[in-house]
Amino acid sequence: AQSVSQHNHHVILSEAASLELGCNYSYGGTVNLFWYVQYPGQHLQLLLKYFSGDPLVKGIKGFEAEFIKSKFSFNLRKPSVQWSDTAEYFCAVRPYSGGGADGLTFGKGTHLIIQP
Amino acid sequence: NAGVTQTPKFRILKIGQSMTLQCTQDMNHNYMYWYRQDPGMGLKLIYYSVGAGITDKGEVPNGYNVSRSTTEDFPLRLELAAPSQTSVYFCASSYEGLSYNEQFFGPGTRLTVL
Repeated sequence: AQSVSQHNHHVILSEAASLELGCNYSYGGTVNLFWYVQYPGQHLQLLLKYFSGDPLVKGIKGFEAEFIKSKFSFNLRKPSVQWSDTAEYFCAVRPYSGGGADGLTFGKGTHLIIQP
Repeated sequence: NAGVTQTPKFRILKIGQSMTLQCTQDMNHNYMYWYRQDPGMGLKLIYYSVGAGITDKGEVPNGYNVSRSTTEDFPLRLELAAPSQTSVYFCASSYEGLSYNEQFFGPGTRLTVL
């Protein structure tokens, strides 16, 4: 079974700092990759996704992620964070099996706090 | 569109009680999912459904049951509540055709079993 590791459980940054959240997965085949965000009191929202093509994907609110197949990684980045980026961030993986329905496999999440 | 809605938002149960968590989506999605999120952990898949009348187990199905009589609704049933089922429950849906698509999540139900 696949698994997802998020290396940082808690991250505290100041506004305007650069952000990189690590995500590694274990699965030998083709995967679909996702980053979801959960703002305080709200439900999970999709930040960005990678299915195929350009390994550098851009999402909402200035976030981007790079898929490095050789490293089984899908790290999330933002050049300059804002206070409003305070949230829980989840990396998720879905094997591309071509049929049937598998849910997403999530990492444990990273709690990001941005200090003004 | 309301998206994915869940009721109730909060619930406290006593050990051995039963309850149904409701989930409805108005996006005409064919696939629906139930996840649970324990503190400090990622979401884990409980059950999923690929269409009305079809359901299947996920990673952590024990102690739960589901049904899918319509495209819109996917209730999750707890028959004999146990403290280990204290968690936040998320319902999600997606439209799956030739390729996978993103899952849309509901706001969650926070359940405490005492």
